[in-house]
Amino acid sequence: RKEVEQDPGPFNVPEGATVAFNCTYSNSASQSFFWYRQDCRKEPKLLMSVYSSGNEDGRFTAQLNRASQYISLLIRDSKLSDSATYLCAVTTSADSWGKFQFGAGTQVVVTP
Amino acid sequence: DGGITQSPKYLFRKEGQNVTLSCEQNLNHDAMYWYRQDPGQGLRLIYYSQIVNDFQKGDIAEGYSVSREKKESFPLTVTSAQKNPTAFYLCASSGGTGHYNEQFFGPGTRLTVL
Repeated sequence: RKEVEQDPGPFNVPEGATVAFNCTYSNSASQSFFWYRQDCRKEPKLLMSVYSSGNEDGRFTAQLNRASQYISLLIRDSKLSDSATYLCAVTTSADSWGKFQFGAGTQVVVTP
Repeated sequence: DGGITQSPKYLFRKEGQNVTLSCEQNLNHDAMYWYRQDPGQGLRLIYYSQIVNDFQKGDIAEGYSVSREKKESFPLTVTSAQKNPTAFYLCASSGGTGHYNEQFFGPGTRLTVL
């Protein structure tokens, strides 16, 4: 079983709609969680860190469910520019460095 | 502007050749990382370095080597022993003030073995 798993999608979303997807992790010692956005043939870019209490950044909301060992990302009012692959990353490290485990990504396609 | 640079952007290699990928950062980050990404797959860790003159193997280190002689630089050599080197290689760094352990990526190098 992979340490971090994501539904590959694609999630086809009409412009203006809401889309949500999860990332499950197997290591209960995981301490830090992140969402990255990756455009085709580009590097991943940090979208947001995921805090225990959940956090929101504009149209993006991230949640952590430690009991069920998953994190989620919700995108409201989807824009065409939100089309990308969203990678989750998990680490057991609480230090300023750490080995991340990445999921393979969830592809989101926002359609007009 | 602070950031991570990787060069070259595209690299073509003949079988049996070693090649070195460059990664430089001016973010004053202590930790640096090398990942490999294959189509439809997540990033896999090759090597990482917490501090100058120290580095550790990641999950797929076989056929690769690194050095960390300067804080800013973490070059990766893909040796002829690497059986399947064609991939997208990404360098990252972490440890900046205000971004405790988030990793930031360079633009990547696409390596193709001919």
